[in-house]
Amino acid sequence: GAVVSQHPSRVICKSGTSVKIECRSLDFQATTMFWYRQFPKQSLMLMATSNEGSKATYEQGVEKDKFLINHASLTLSTLTVTSAHPEDSSFYICSAREPLAGYYEQYFGPGTRLTVT
Amino acid sequence: QQQVKQSPQSLIVQKGGISIINCAYENTAFDYFPWYQQFPGKGPALLIAIRPDVSEKKEGRFTISFNKSAKQFSLHIMDSQPGDSATYFCAASMFTTDSWGKLQFGAGTQVVVTP
Repeated sequence: GAVVSQHPSRVICKSGTSVKIECRSLDFQATTMFWYRQFPKQSLMLMATSNEGSKATYEQGVEKDKFLINHASLTLSTLTVTSAHPEDSSFYICSAREPLAGYYEQYFGPGTRLTVT
Repeated sequence: QQQVKQSPQSLIVQKGGISIINCAYENTAFDYFPWYQQFPGKGPALLIAIRPDVSEKKEGRFTISFNKSAKQFSLHIMDSQPGDSATYFCAASMFTTDSWGKLQFGAGTQVVVTP
């Protein structure tokens, strides 16, 4: 089956620094990837949609200058949280759409736990 | 505005019992309805999904029932096992060149299966 990985699985950073999270599709080419954040006991909130080679489309209320998304290849998308603050602490999850599986099916990564101190 | 409403928020069921989770949607353009299972600290995993041209789909102990006219769909977990204890999310999607099939998630249901 289609596998999506994320790196790192956990990261702790100091307030004001930047942190990069990688999302990779391991055995398929993902033309579209999605980034979510999830707070404890809450649902997944879509942050942005990225298509390979194009600028990401951000959901309303998500600061594009703070959450930089790069989808430079068909197997890699990155999310960079710039000038992180404690309120950015969350569980960040990516998903990837595999075109051969049809229009809809998305495969999720294992998530990255970000803690900003 | 939440486009997919999910209930109940939590559910306790005995081992061997049936867990039922309900979802309702408003946008009739949605045409893909998946259910995801999530364990603590993990990403969601696709459990089962349905398209609106069928009223029911079964995979093992998991069944989706779909009522297009009522704009509702539900997940039934038969013979619930302790290993089914997790949070379940329903979702809905439509594919357009603007949305790229992005998912609208329900709020989630925490299911606890007692031994």
